[in-house]
Amino acid sequence: KQEVTQIPAALSVPEGENLVLNCSFTDSAIYNLQWFRQDPGKGLTSLLLIQSSQREQTSGRLNASLDKSSGRSTLYIAASQPGDSATYLCAAPPGGQNFVFGPGTRLSVLP
Amino acid sequence: EAQVTQNPRYLITVTGKKLTVTCSQNMNHEYMSWYRQDPGLGLRQIYYSMNVEVTDKGDVPEGYKVSRKEKRNFPLILESPSPNQTSLYFCASSLGGRGTDTQYFGPGTRLTVL
Repeated sequence: KQEVTQIPAALSVPEGENLVLNCSFTDSAIYNLQWFRQDPGKGLTSLLLIQSSQREQTSGRLNASLDKSSGRSTLYIAASQPGDSATYLCAAPPGGQNFVFGPGTRLSVLP
Repeated sequence: EAQVTQNPRYLITVTGKKLTVTCSQNMNHEYMSWYRQDPGLGLRQIYYSMNVEVTDKGDVPEGYKVSRKEKRNFPLILESPSPNQTSLYFCASSLGGRGTDTQYFGPGTRLTVL
C-alpha cells in the first residue's frame, strides 16, 4: 500500500528566502506526482503535476522534481512571499486509482 | 467558470439522521472522488468513480455510500451518521478516468455529527 510522507511538517522563513519541501513515497509505480496548495479551511489547488516519465516541472517561482527510483519529489519555491503561506501537499497515485496524499508541510513566510 | 461545487458547505446533524452531500462538476470529467480531512490524519480517500456507474472504495469507505448515475454528479450518502464522521469533506474531479490528470477540488463541506 502506498505511503506518502512529507518533510518538514512545518516551516517558517523570512520573506525572500528560497526553500525546498520534500515528499517521499514507498511505491514507485506511480502514474504521476502532484503538488497541491491548501489555504486554511479551503479546498486544494493544484500547483504542479509531473508525469512519471518526466523529471521536473516548472510554473513561475515553483519547480518540482521527481526521482521515481528513489521515491522522492521536491518542491522548490524561489523568492518566497507572504502570499505563499499555506499547507503544501503531495500525492503519488499508484496505478492512477486510489489517491494517497502526504500529511502536508505547513509553510509560513514572514514579512 | 469551470468548477466543482458542493452542497451544503456546512452541516450540523444528529446521530442516525440520513444525509446527502452533493457534488457536481461542469468540466465533463470522467473521474470523481470523495475525501475526508481530519487533523493529524490528513486527507484520506473515501470513494472514487472512474465513470458513470463505476465506483470503487478508497481507504476509508465504511459508513458511506456513493452513486454515479450522471457524469457530472457524485453524491456522498451517510445513511446513519455517527460522531466519528465529523470531518471536512472534499469532492474532486479530473479529466481522465484513471485519475491521472490534475485534480480539481470543491470548496469543502464541514460536517458535524452530534
